[in-house]
Amino acid sequence: EVHLVESGGGLVEPGGSLRLSCAASGFTFGNAWMSWVRQAPGKGLEWVGRIKSKTDGETTDYAVPVKGRFTISRDDSRDTLYLQMSSLKTEDTAVYYCTPDSGSYYDYFQYWGQGTLVTVSS
Amino acid sequence: DIQMTQSPSSLSASVGDRVTITCRASQGISSYLNWYQQKPGKAPKLLIYAASSLQSGVPSRFSGGGSGADFTLTISRLQPEDFATYYCQQSYNTPRTFGQGTKLEIK
Repeated sequence: EVHLVESGGGLVEPGGSLRLSCAASGFTFGNAWMSWVRQAPGKGLEWVGRIKSKTDGETTDYAVPVKGRFTISRDDSRDTLYLQMSSLKTEDTAVYYCTPDSGSYYDYFQYWGQGTLVTVSS
Repeated sequence: DIQMTQSPSSLSASVGDRVTITCRASQGISSYLNWYQQKPGKAPKLLIYAASSLQSGVPSRFSGGGSGADFTLTISRLQPEDFATYYCQQSYNTPRTFGQGTKLEIK
């Protein structure tokens, strides 16, 4: 059974930094392309970014609002995904979810963690 | 970026009703379209992928259609557990983008 557990959320001041983690199990993490998706309170879903597998170059893509401030990385030896967030803004306040890409021709997000809440406020 | 626009943004319906939610992409995306259901405080749940393929375990009253730029999610006979928010999402290219959501409420 696939299991994803996000952690590391909390309260941080504007301009601050935070690192989120996502511990994965139940699938071959090293082969998976992994994404972060966030949801601001009372708002819709927003894709944050993605990291490809090491085999596919471990390259990353980011949404425009976070590009240059957020960095996605992975530790395949620990089956863990990371999201390093810096220069945080109040609009980054959200629940952050990690999710593996399906790996199929038509990509989709089948598995989700429970999310971790990041609150950016002074 | 591909913009995804859902309509309506909210919808009131009764148990047993048939409802349809539409999703329009700002450019053609073939069948790279997914639908999710989300209930308050919970993670999204995949319902439909590749525009019309029903995810395993999802009731057959859910169906998806369309291709190119226009898509639909239909619930044939609403059940109490179907009242939730629904999102479409394109996987044609990055950045992946979601529709703004359609909140389905009990009339």
